Amino acid sequence: KAGVTQTPRYLIKTRGQQVTLSCSPISGHRSVSWYQQTPGQGLQFLFEYFSETQRNKGNFPGRFSGRQFSNSRSEMNVSTLELGDSALYLCASSLNPQVLYEQYFGPGTRLTVT
Amino acid sequence: KQEVTQIPAALSVPEGENLVLNCSFTDSAIYNLQWFRQDPGKGLTSLLLIQSSQREQTSGRLNASLDKSSGRSTLYIAASQPGDSATYLCAVKRDKIIFGKGTRLHILP
Repeated sequence: KAGVTQTPRYLIKTRGQQVTLSCSPISGHRSVSWYQQTPGQGLQFLFEYFSETQRNKGNFPGRFSGRQFSNSRSEMNVSTLELGDSALYLCASSLNPQVLYEQYFGPGTRLTVT
Repeated sequence: KQEVTQIPAALSVPEGENLVLNCSFTDSAIYNLQWFRQDPGKGLTSLLLIQSSQREQTSGRLNASLDKSSGRSTLYIAASQPGDSATYLCAVKRDKIIFGKGTRLHILP
């Protein structure tokens, strides 16, 4: 069974631009969560989607948004990029958001904003 | 507000030793706690998931315990190997998942 895949793996953007990252969950998994990882703040929760609906959202500005499609694939978008948005963006999937289920992480997208 | 702390931030031990990594959390109202490892520049690999009703979980040389009342979890690694070198993260889940900042483990050959 294929794992969680994220595209692209690396990305370089300029301040003010926008970016879209993609995540394909493990087959059969319907819940997708996104995280931002930086050396200073560690791993921080961005949002969680299940059945195309956002269930939870972390404390990030409105420039960060996401969506989930009917096939459970998810995208996150960051508009008006800032230097501080440089980070490793990780997505994780699980069968559903219920407490019993483990999260499985993808390899991440390394975003560099110059 | 839930806070998760992992001490120490870094640890170096000789190969073959048994070791314990610590994780503490401020709000005991959690659904589960999960331990992960992360290799440099990579994603996270799930190691063990402990439900709030459980006290411990074991997988191979790894054993994780959970004491909700004291807000603590430990990850025990037996007979450490150089391949165990990585950053180990714990995360607690209620409505959201909150991560600690990890313990960077280096096993000396």
